[in-house]
Formats: sequence, structure tokens, C-alpha cells
Amino acid sequence: DIQMTQSPSSLSASVGDRVTITCRASQSINNYFNWYQQKPGKAPKLLIYAASSLQSGVPSRFSGSGSGTDFTLTISSLQPEDFATYYCQQSYNTPPTFGQGTKVEIK
Amino acid sequence: QLQLQESGPGLVKPSETLSFTCTVSGGSISNINYYWGWIRQPPGKGLEWIGSIYYSGIAYYNPSLKSRVTISVDTSKNQFSLKLSSVTAADTAVYYCARRTMTTRGEGNWFDPWGQGTLVTVSS
Repeated sequence: DIQMTQSPSSLSASVGDRVTITCRASQSINNYFNWYQQKPGKAPKLLIYAASSLQSGVPSRFSGSGSGTDFTLTISSLQPEDFATYYCQQSYNTPPTFGQGTKVEIK
Repeated sequence: QLQLQESGPGLVKPSETLSFTCTVSGGSISNINYYWGWIRQPPGKGLEWIGSIYYSGIAYYNPSLKSRVTISVDTSKNQFSLKLSSVTAADTAVYYCARRTMTTRGEGNWFDPWGQGTLVTVSS
């Protein structure tokens, strides 16, 4: 299985901050890579697909970049509704695998 | 707008079989562009893909669970189902169903949307 490693595991930030979360794959996955947001008690929500494509309806302050093994999710200006856990996922190989999550908390 | 809704028991005894059904509304499960999948999340932990199925019945499973998992589809009811046998406490989790978008454009695939999830506790 391809291992997905996110960093950091958690972070504290203030409203308006620029936030960056990284994810590294254990082998090259081209751009077969997605980001999800999960709020407590809710299902994950797709934010970014194919490494950098913004899902319809997702605010433009979210952006994704990367290819190969290293990927980044950036929130340009953190909003109160963005405090959540973020997961990366690869779809290059079966089984699709997820990172362990990054919890974004209020500073 | 496509919606998915899981239904199933909240409590299952060890060694028994866990069964869930996902009902799809607002779209057809027979759409050739999509697979339909199950993902689970143990309390306080990360996400694990269980398996996916195409409307034709072709299914793919996580090798770690393959010996215990069966996923089936009923296109007449716009539903797909999960059976997980010989459950233990380690199978306690929130179980989600989701649509898996497949592409041929070199973009991979992704899960969207998801059902709201149902917590299953394995306990005697």
C-alpha cells in the first residue's frame, strides 16, 4: 500500500492566517491526489481533486499544489469555518489510502 | 443534488456479520462514470477504504479486509450494500458510503459526495 504522511499532525492558527499543510506519498503518484475537510461529527468533504483542481462550491482561498510525492494544501486566509481536520488521499494505486489527518485549531 | 444515505444497525455482536445499505437519491447508480464505495473511520482515527463497486457488479476490495467483505449493488432500488463478516471490536467505526468519480483524463479518482455516516459498535 502507498503510505501517505501528513505534516503537521495539528496546528494552531488565527483567523486571517495563511495555513499550509503538506502530504508526502511513499512513492510517486503523479497527480492522483485529493484533499478533504472533515468537521466534527460530519462526513469528509472533497476540497481539491487531481492535486490542484478546486471542487465546485469550495471557496477560492483553498488551493492545492504538487506532483509526484509531495503535495500542499494552502488556505490563504483562514476563516472561522475552516477549523477542521484535513485529510489527503492517493488514488494512484488500489487500495486508495488516506493520510492520518491534520487538525487545524483556533489559536 | 446527489445524496447518499446509509442504513444499518448501530450494534453488532462479535463474530457476527455487519450489514449496511446505501441508498442513492438524486441520480442513478447506473451512471457509467462512477463507482460506489464504502469507507470507515474508527473513533478518533483516520479513514480506511473498504471497497468499491460498479453498477455492473464489478467490485474491488481492500486486501486487508477482502476475506471478510462483500459489496453488492441493486440497480432497481438504486442501492448498494456492504457485508463484513466475523466482526471484532476492531471493526467498531463510523461507516460511510460515497460516490467514487472515475476519470480517464489522467486525474485519478475521488470520493464525493459522502453519506452522513453511521456508527457501528461491535460489542457483546
